[in-house]
Amino acid sequence: DAGVIQSPRHEVTEMGQEVTLRCKPISGHDYLFWYRQTMMRGLELLIYFNNNVPIDDSGMPEDRFSAKMPNASFSTLKIQPSEPRDSAVYFCASSLRLVDEKLFFGSGTQLSVL
Amino acid sequence: KQEVTQIPAALSVPEGENLVLNCSFTDSAIYNLQWFRQDPGKGLTSLLLIQSSQREQTSGRLNASLDKSSGRSTLYIAASQPGDSATYLCALGYSTLTFGKGTMLLVSP
Repeated sequence: DAGVIQSPRHEVTEMGQEVTLRCKPISGHDYLFWYRQTMMRGLELLIYFNNNVPIDDSGMPEDRFSAKMPNASFSTLKIQPSEPRDSAVYFCASSLRLVDEKLFFGSGTQLSVL
Repeated sequence: KQEVTQIPAALSVPEGENLVLNCSFTDSAIYNLQWFRQDPGKGLTSLLLIQSSQREQTSGRLNASLDKSSGRSTLYIAASQPGDSATYLCALGYSTLTFGKGTMLLVSP
């Protein structure tokens, strides 16, 4: 398996624009997670899915953020409208089970909102 | 709310040295713990997973231990090499993982 695949690797946009980040989890993994990493706050869990169903979105910072998982092999994280404080690295990760299983990360999307 | 602290934030050692990275947490009601490695500009790679029934895990030159009663985990790296230079993060939780901010390790030749 190619691992968790994220696109794009880098995204530069202007404040107010819509941003869509994409993720393909490892085939067969039932859990998909979206994390955000900043120098100040470290890695924060935004939302996670089980079998394509959102389970916990309490980490989503505000209504400008939304995530979907239309099928087992694809998920999106959307920010609309984007703000400079959204600049961060966004990671997607997947695992077989919620506990007692390794978590596999994608390479991340470096987002810069100007 | 679980809080995970990693000290030191940065560590520099000469090649060949054995070293210990520390991770402390506030809530001992955790199910499992993982240690990750992150290279600059890259994603995280899970190095060791200590499952709910375990207290220790080893892989090559790496050994991780978990003491829930004291709220501590350690990652031991034997005979460090320049290729070990990276940021090491611990993550733990009852269900989803809470991450520490990591220890940036530099191993000099």
